[in-house]
Amino acid sequence: GAGVSQSPRYKVAKRGQDVALRCDPISGHVSLFWYQQALGQGPEFLTYFQNEAQLDKSGLPSDRFFAERPEGSVSTLKIQRTQQEDSAVYLCASSRRTGKTGELFFGEGSRLTVL
Amino acid sequence: DQQVKQNSPSLSVQEGRISILNCDYTNSMFDYFLWYKKYPAEGPTFLISISSIKDKNEDGRFTVFLNKSAKHLSLHIVPSQPGDSAVYFCAASRFGNQFYFGTGTSLTVIP
Repeated sequence: GAGVSQSPRYKVAKRGQDVALRCDPISGHVSLFWYQQALGQGPEFLTYFQNEAQLDKSGLPSDRFFAERPEGSVSTLKIQRTQQEDSAVYLCASSRRTGKTGELFFGEGSRLTVL
Repeated sequence: DQQVKQNSPSLSVQEGRISILNCDYTNSMFDYFLWYKKYPAEGPTFLISISSIKDKNEDGRFTVFLNKSAKHLSLHIVPSQPGDSAVYFCAASRFGNQFYFGTGTSLTVIP
């Protein structure tokens, strides 16, 4: 596809369940980012990949959060033992460039609701 | 610790008039700034950017101004159109590896 694709668009999980969110970036884009957006807030950085290398994971809120991009294309964000505070929209973005001037192209997001 | 701040959660403007959206940042090391527009149930879409070596960048009806000494940037939309109604986020980065977003300003353009 032409844009960043995320699935599922909506996910309802019971507290304690594990969830996996998928991101298909724009073909050929080197950089991939995951952001978390809580209601009424701006996107907050979670983690960044350059190809398959996870260069920055400083934004992951706890060790229950794990992201991978094994072949430098599709990425998965996994949240283990979900908690209610994990409820948010998870945005994936990709960029063709590394470094300074790469604009981010965002997907539509995966809205996670933890009951 | 919010490094990028948008202090106006909402703004209403009459169609045809100028919309001015403001953004302040705290980290003087930021060197690249962007504005994104977001419609409900969609991801943010890129609008316009500016490098720290410039103080103005213009693209059609959209102009971004950067005041480095004040750590302030603004987005001007002239003339405003009803289709511009959306949430606008400013973002800042250093080296383009991590982007910090503001909390957004909801713009309503009244026909």
